[in-house]
Amino acid sequence: EAQVTQNPRYLITVTGKKLTVTCSQNMNHEYMSWYRQDPGLGLRQIYYSMNVEVTDKGDVPEGYKVSRKEKRNFPLILESPSPNQTSLYFCASSLSRQDTQYFGPGTRLTVL
Amino acid sequence: AQSVTQPDIHITVSEGASLELRCNYSYGATPYLFWYVQSPGQGLQLLLKYFSGDTLVQGIKGFEAEFKRSQSSFNLRKPSVHWSDAAEYFCAVGSISSGSARQLTFGSGTQLTVLP
Repeated sequence: EAQVTQNPRYLITVTGKKLTVTCSQNMNHEYMSWYRQDPGLGLRQIYYSMNVEVTDKGDVPEGYKVSRKEKRNFPLILESPSPNQTSLYFCASSLSRQDTQYFGPGTRLTVL
Repeated sequence: AQSVTQPDIHITVSEGASLELRCNYSYGATPYLFWYVQSPGQGLQLLLKYFSGDTLVQGIKGFEAEFKRSQSSFNLRKPSVHWSDAAEYFCAVGSISSGSARQLTFGSGTQLTVLP
């Protein structure tokens, strides 16, 4: 089944404790993105990647890192999480920049 | 910079009634437009998209949307709402011709409640 998977689905952590949210797609998609969703703000893009080893900042990249060592994986790294990063995070992938994005199920992160 | 406005934060309709969700975009180049739906606790599912051609686009679940360039709008419609349509709906805009690889800008969403 074609899908985007994210792990974990739920995470509660404390300020400053490094964490990684994994994202994997099995559709051989070139383009992958990370978004955060906050009430009243819709989805805002954090980082995106056009291909392996090619990443760039989205609208709200501060406090986040990403890597794209393999085509299928695009992990989101929070080196020192803070409470303002409490949010719902979505990973998405598409065949190319202009194609339909497929979204993962989301990761709900709480930073205490 | 591109932007999307969904003027209605929350809409309530009765089951069987018609529905229209508004979306206005701002972008200087040729846009491509999407509507996504998010059910509670779920990810986003694509309802329909417009790239070019016929300005009236048919999507899944009986939804349609009409692209009106003169009004910079891409409103979503459904003639008869079902209780299962209760969800949050997001409009998104991207550019076909932009040199930027940044893909989509989303609106803030419209929460739809369906009354029995």
